Amino acid sequence: NAGVMQNPRHLVRRRGQEARLRCSPMKGHSHVYWYRQLPEEGLKFMVYLQKENIIDESGMPKERFSAEFPKEGPSILRIQQVVRGDSAAYFCASSLSAAGETRNEQFFGPGTRLTVL
Amino acid sequence: GQSLEQPSEVTAVEGAIVQINCTYQTSGFYGLSWYQQHDGGAPTFLSYNGLDGLEETGRFSSFLSRSDSYGYLLLQELQMKDSASYFCAVRDETGANNLFFGTGTRLTVIP
Repeated sequence: NAGVMQNPRHLVRRRGQEARLRCSPMKGHSHVYWYRQLPEEGLKFMVYLQKENIIDESGMPKERFSAEFPKEGPSILRIQQVVRGDSAAYFCASSLSAAGETRNEQFFGPGTRLTVL
Repeated sequence: GQSLEQPSEVTAVEGAIVQINCTYQTSGFYGLSWYQQHDGGAPTFLSYNGLDGLEETGRFSSFLSRSDSYGYLLLQELQMKDSASYFCAVRDETGANNLFFGTGTRLTVIP
């Protein structure tokens, strides 16, 4: 059973360009989460999605950032008009948890390291 | 809001025991999780405590005291490969599935 897949692993963009990060959850998982990690810091929650629905986007910047998890295909985190401050590692995680399940073990992908020049 | 406090760095000798503490503040509590992350790698799940007490998984154990809003991760028989960052995490205080992470404790194991 393949784990969480993310691509690309490394992405370099110039200021003003768009970045698209893709995440395929573990087989059978319908809950996807995106986190951002700056160097030497912890992971910060960005957005939580289930198939075709955004459940919680309270951690997403209001502008330039968007996420989707279509019925078919991977989840996409899209950053428009990137700025240097967007440089970070972006991790996707997935879980199997049903409503009310408390353990909620999340399985993380290898991350996409975005560098904005 | 939510907050988690962990020591930023810990150094321990190979073969020894080390304890990494975590105190939390959250209006809604749904258990404490621990994740390990090696440099350049992805976080991996280590342990979860939903109720007070000790959970043991091999060389790793985790403890929770809900009355003290406190937990710790205990690593025994330390190996060099245990050098990594360790994060405690709680679920969102609303009960949503997303996790709120501490800033992490960087463990260095020395010979």
